[in-house]
Amino acid sequence: AIQLTQSPSSLSASVGDRVTITCRANQGIYSALAWYQQKPGEAPKLLIYDASILENGVPSRFSGSGSGTDFTLTISSLHPADFATYFCQQFNDYPLTFGGGTKVEIK
Amino acid sequence: EVQLVESGGGLVKPGGSLRLSCAASGFTFSGYTMNWVRRAPGRGLEWVASVSSNSDYIYNTDSVKGRFTISRDNAKTLFYLQMNSLRVEDTGVYFCARDRLAWAVFDYWGQGTLVTVSS
Repeated sequence: AIQLTQSPSSLSASVGDRVTITCRANQGIYSALAWYQQKPGEAPKLLIYDASILENGVPSRFSGSGSGTDFTLTISSLHPADFATYFCQQFNDYPLTFGGGTKVEIK
Repeated sequence: EVQLVESGGGLVKPGGSLRLSCAASGFTFSGYTMNWVRRAPGRGLEWVASVSSNSDYIYNTDSVKGRFTISRDNAKTLFYLQMNSLRVEDTGVYFCARDRLAWAVFDYWGQGTLVTVSS
């Protein structure tokens, strides 16, 4: 199975900060990567797929980049609604796998 | 409006069985691959199983092979996860989720149903 390693596992940031989360695959997955946001007690929400395509309705402050093994999710200016846990997911091959998550907390 | 509503979770002893259901509405159910994803307490998301639109293709994560069975009924717009030989480590919130067309990513999710395996 393809393993995804996210870093950091948690971070503290302030409203307005630029935040970058990385996801590394243990083998090349082309651009077959998605990003999700999950808040406590809620279902995950798809933010980005195919590494850089913004899902409908997702604010433009979210962006994704990368291909092969290294990927990033960037929030250009953190909003209060963005404090949550973020997961990457590869869909290059089954079994589909997720990264361990990055919790973004208020500084 | 796309809606996915899970049911069937609960408390079960190790070795027991549960059947989760997911009722879908608001889209052409028979055209989409459907999935189960879980999140164990204090852990991350884990994909569990997928069933293609006409049930031609079924995939499972290794840890549930031989124990869990995913299926669907397109006429009733329902899909299921039959869970047998449950283990403590199967405890978690189980979400049903729809594939984004042509991509094995999950664009709509249910609210989740809690499965607790404990003696």
